[in-house]
Amino acid sequence: DQQVKQNSPSLSVQEGRISILNCDYTNSMFDYFLWYKKYPAEGPTFLISISSIKDKNEDGRFTVFLNKSAKHLSLHIVPSQPGDSAVYFCAASPNYGGATNKLIFGTGTLLAVQP
Amino acid sequence: KAGVTQTPRYLIKTRGQQVTLSCSPISGHRSVSWYQQTPGQGLQFLFEYFSETQRNKGNFPGRFSGRQFSNSRSEMNVSTLELGDSALYLCASSLVPGQGTGELFFGEGSRLTVL
Repeated sequence: DQQVKQNSPSLSVQEGRISILNCDYTNSMFDYFLWYKKYPAEGPTFLISISSIKDKNEDGRFTVFLNKSAKHLSLHIVPSQPGDSAVYFCAASPNYGGATNKLIFGTGTLLAVQP
Repeated sequence: KAGVTQTPRYLIKTRGQQVTLSCSPISGHRSVSWYQQTPGQGLQFLFEYFSETQRNKGNFPGRFSGRQFSNSRSEMNVSTLELGDSALYLCASSLVPGQGTGELFFGEGSRLTVL
């Protein structure tokens, strides 16, 4: 049962254009959502997060949007750069009533930014 | 400061053998969690440790076990290896569980191949 879904295994965009990566979730108890980026032969690195009480969070070229009613979040990268080419994982933090490092990850989307 | 260190980086085992993977968290980090990454499955949570205690365990068979030492270093063990255990095993650390936004710091992983 995949609680966090990234339905697009891959995405290709031109340099300078917008990249939009999508993520859907099924559990309404998730209270925090995160995006991680992973280059080959490296561990994932944290990119940006959003609390369930917000609908938008920005950090430079990266913006995450959360639509709780649709159980959907998206990551926008503007403008896209070749160095952004990587696998992007969406993750959710379940609300267990206590602090935890257990994250539920999606299967990832491979972003290729063409020069 | 040094990041999360995982050893060994690559290893090959045969079915039925057992394997032990090691993780040294970032200095000062006391929470360690382990994830398994396989193609098409994303990252799946294995365990979470804090102060030498297992706080959470993912949905994996009992062949997967782990522990944390007093210096916060952690090991995971997989016994009676199966072909399906071939994966990238990632260790992540944080100061304490649920630190901040749930951001985890990942190591580069241990790539296990089971023949």
